[in-house]
Amino acid sequence: EAGVAQSPRYKIIEKRQSVAFWCNPISGHATLYWYQQILGQGPKLLIQFQNNGVVDDSQLPKDRFSAERLKGVDSTLKIQPAKLEDSAVYLCASSSRSKGITDTQYFGPGTRLTVL
Amino acid sequence: QKEVEQNSGPLSVPEGAIASLNCTYSDRGSQSFFWYRQYSGKSPELIMFIYSNGDKEDGRFTAQLNKASQYVSLLIRDSQPSDSATYLCAVNKPGGGNKLTFGTGTQLKVEL
Repeated sequence: EAGVAQSPRYKIIEKRQSVAFWCNPISGHATLYWYQQILGQGPKLLIQFQNNGVVDDSQLPKDRFSAERLKGVDSTLKIQPAKLEDSAVYLCASSSRSKGITDTQYFGPGTRLTVL
Repeated sequence: QKEVEQNSGPLSVPEGAIASLNCTYSDRGSQSFFWYRQYSGKSPELIMFIYSNGDKEDGRFTAQLNKASQYVSLLIRDSQPSDSATYLCAVNKPGGGNKLTFGTGTQLKVEL
């Protein structure tokens, strides 16, 4: 079974530029998550999708971050304009949501963003 | 008070010893608890989860949960250098959505 795919793996941009990340979840997984992991910290949930609907985006900085999950499969996370503090690894995860509280989230390899 | 607290370490143990990693959480209604391992430059991978009080064993790993004390731990027996990584504790909070809140992680170093 293929895992969660993400691209690009690395991205370097100047502040105030825009950037987009792509995620393809494990086949059949209805729930998709985007996390931000700053160096030395644990992952922080940015947004959670159930199929193509948003379940939780309470920690998404909506003035600069946006995300969509068209057709309930792939997802794109965009930052516009980027700030220095956005430098982090952006992790995508997915889960099947078939086991309730023991549902396991599987993570993709992440995209390392550096904002100069 | 942080929602999920872990000692950042590093925790150094000799090869073959038992490593004990601890995590406390603030929301008494939390339902399930996950331990992820993260190697440097890699993404988190699940080790195991626990949701009932007591111990749960999986190979060299044992998770322990005490809901009254709001405490969860991970024991690694016969520690190997390959166990050197950051261990993330994650808590599934009530309210639906299967949302995980992660601690900052504990760095474990297993020394030869």
